[in-house]
Amino acid sequence: AQSVTQLGSHVSVSEGALVLLRCNYSSSVPPYLFWYVQYPNQGLQLLLKYTTGATLVKGINGFEAEFKKSETSFHLTKPSAHMSDAAEYFCAPGGSQGNLIFGKGTKLSVKP
Amino acid sequence: EAQVTQNPRYLITVTGKKLTVTCSQNMNHEYMSWYRQDPGLGLRQIYYSMNVEVTDKGDVPEGYKVSRKEKRNFPLILESPSPNQTSLYFCASRQWASWVETQYFGPGTRLLVL
Repeated sequence: AQSVTQLGSHVSVSEGALVLLRCNYSSSVPPYLFWYVQYPNQGLQLLLKYTTGATLVKGINGFEAEFKKSETSFHLTKPSAHMSDAAEYFCAPGGSQGNLIFGKGTKLSVKP
Repeated sequence: EAQVTQNPRYLITVTGKKLTVTCSQNMNHEYMSWYRQDPGLGLRQIYYSMNVEVTDKGDVPEGYKVSRKEKRNFPLILESPSPNQTSLYFCASRQWASWVETQYFGPGTRLLVL
């Protein structure tokens, strides 16, 4: 069955620290991978996506993710956290039916 | 402006009272879908549609109906809502042809069933 795992439902970092949000997907899903962000009381916004080509993908707001097929991972990183990064982040591989298979989400808190 | 709209944004209803949440997109997308979001569970797909008159079940279709009579609209129907359908609902659309295309999400509809 197609699945995705986001390690850590809550992650807390200090402002200026590295952000690392982990995502592992089952090898049965197509290699199309997305990260979405949801700010409090808002909808979903695409951060970045991997479809083909370079495995290191840069997105908005300074985020990037690296597709590692051998590890079935697509971890999201940002070198220096800002207070405005506090939100919930969803990893979502593309499913075989054209759907997105969402992880359970990771809530990121940023401490001053 | 490319967008997906949903109405209503907030809805409080009672058990058993039929309701419809509308979804409309202005991008001529073939693919549309509905998700529900529950705390700790992420988003789960309810139904999807690959084109007009073509719909199929997602992961959690029980208690829901959809229709796709026009390309731009994809309403979600709850014939007899129950409290376990209290949730945040998102409609989404994209071009079917390729995963390169971005999936756009509506702003969400928060539903409370008493």
